Amino acid sequence: DTGVSQDPRHKITKRGQNVTFRCDPISEHNRLYWYRQTLGQGPEFLTYFQNEAQLEKSRLLSDRFSAERPKGSFSTLEIQRTEQGDSAMYLCASSPMGGGGSYTFGSGTRLTVV
Amino acid sequence: DQQVKQNSPSLSVQEGRISILNCDYTNSMFDYFLWYKKYPAEGPTFLISISSIKDKNEDGRFTVFLNKSAKHLSLHIVPSQPGDSAVYFCAAGSGGSNYKLTFGKGTLLTVNP
Repeated sequence: DTGVSQDPRHKITKRGQNVTFRCDPISEHNRLYWYRQTLGQGPEFLTYFQNEAQLEKSRLLSDRFSAERPKGSFSTLEIQRTEQGDSAMYLCASSPMGGGGSYTFGSGTRLTVV
Repeated sequence: DQQVKQNSPSLSVQEGRISILNCDYTNSMFDYFLWYKKYPAEGPTFLISISSIKDKNEDGRFTVFLNKSAKHLSLHIVPSQPGDSAVYFCAAGSGGSNYKLTFGKGTLLTVNP
């Protein structure tokens, strides 16, 4: 297993466009998390899946954001009508049940909205 | 409202000396704490954790100390090595919240040869 994979690594998009990111967690991990990190800040929680069920969403996740994890495997995070304030590093992490907070993070997708 | 605070944006130490990184928290519901290390262009990597029922946890050169009454934890690295140069994030969570973590802003550690 090569760890948590995120695609793409970088994305530049024009304001108003939609973007979608993909995360492939470690195969035996049933928990998957999305975090967002802006410059000079630590990662901020966005949403969490246990298997295919999305169990919690942060108030940071406006209605322009949607995340899915079909069949409890990979996950996608879509941002509609992107705004400049969406520019950030989007991090995906996974953990096994009972793993506590010791996540394995992916390398992230850096989004730049111009 | 920042629930996890790392008040030192940066720290510089000499190779072989001790590095001490500090973290304060405000939420009494946090019951476990973690440190992550992050190199440029990579995601954070889990380093060490501690449960609120303990006051110390050690793993090789890394030791985390927890002072619950002061709502303070620290990470000690001894001896420090140039490869330890990275951003260190303190994080806290509650088992009752599905292990969602709240991170500090990070401290950039530079270990000089």
